[in-house]
Amino acid sequence: EDQVTQSPEALRLQEGESSSLNCSYTVSGLRGLFWYRQDPGKGPEFLFTLYSAGEEKEKERLKATLTKKESFLHITAPKPEDSATYLCAVQAQNTDKLIFGTGTRLQVFP
Amino acid sequence: DADVTQTPRNRITKTGKRIMLECSQTKGHDRMYWYRQDPGLGLRLIYYSFDVKDINKGEISDGYSVSRQAQAKFSLSLESAIPNQTALYFCATSDPTKGYGYTFGSGTRLTVV
Repeated sequence: EDQVTQSPEALRLQEGESSSLNCSYTVSGLRGLFWYRQDPGKGPEFLFTLYSAGEEKEKERLKATLTKKESFLHITAPKPEDSATYLCAVQAQNTDKLIFGTGTRLQVFP
Repeated sequence: DADVTQTPRNRITKTGKRIMLECSQTKGHDRMYWYRQDPGLGLRLIYYSFDVKDINKGEISDGYSVSRQAQAKFSLSLESAIPNQTALYFCATSDPTKGYGYTFGSGTRLTVV
């Protein structure tokens, strides 16, 4: 069964304190792994798609990496505006459906 | 204008009432999805559609129905609402420019009392 587990459930950081969020997955043939940001009461906002082990993508203070079993979202020198829930999802071969994890709620304090 | 628009944004309804949530998109994408989000459970797929004539059940379709009126419109109905259908509902399209990741609407917060 395809499955996504994210850790930690919640993370509190001081502004400027770098850290990483983890997404572990099992899938019957990975087509893509996706990262989203979700602000309270809003729809998830697309961040990255990763396709194969070793791939990395960057956007501002965020960098996503992928191995055969997990993905990391690295946050470098976070700012309060980075506070949000970060969702990971996988897509198996021959399907469009995304299987989501339950997310990591990140709070960054000044 | 948003790429994916959901209406209403918020709705309170009574148990047993029929309610429809609407979704429209301006991107011309063929594939559309309805998810619900509950605290601690994440996003779960209700129904999806690959085109007007192709409708498929997701993992939690019981108690729901959908209609794909046109490529741009995909509606979700609760035939007889019950309190455990209280949730945040999202419509999404599959976006080739994002590696077939999704573009989501802003959501409908539904409360069944």
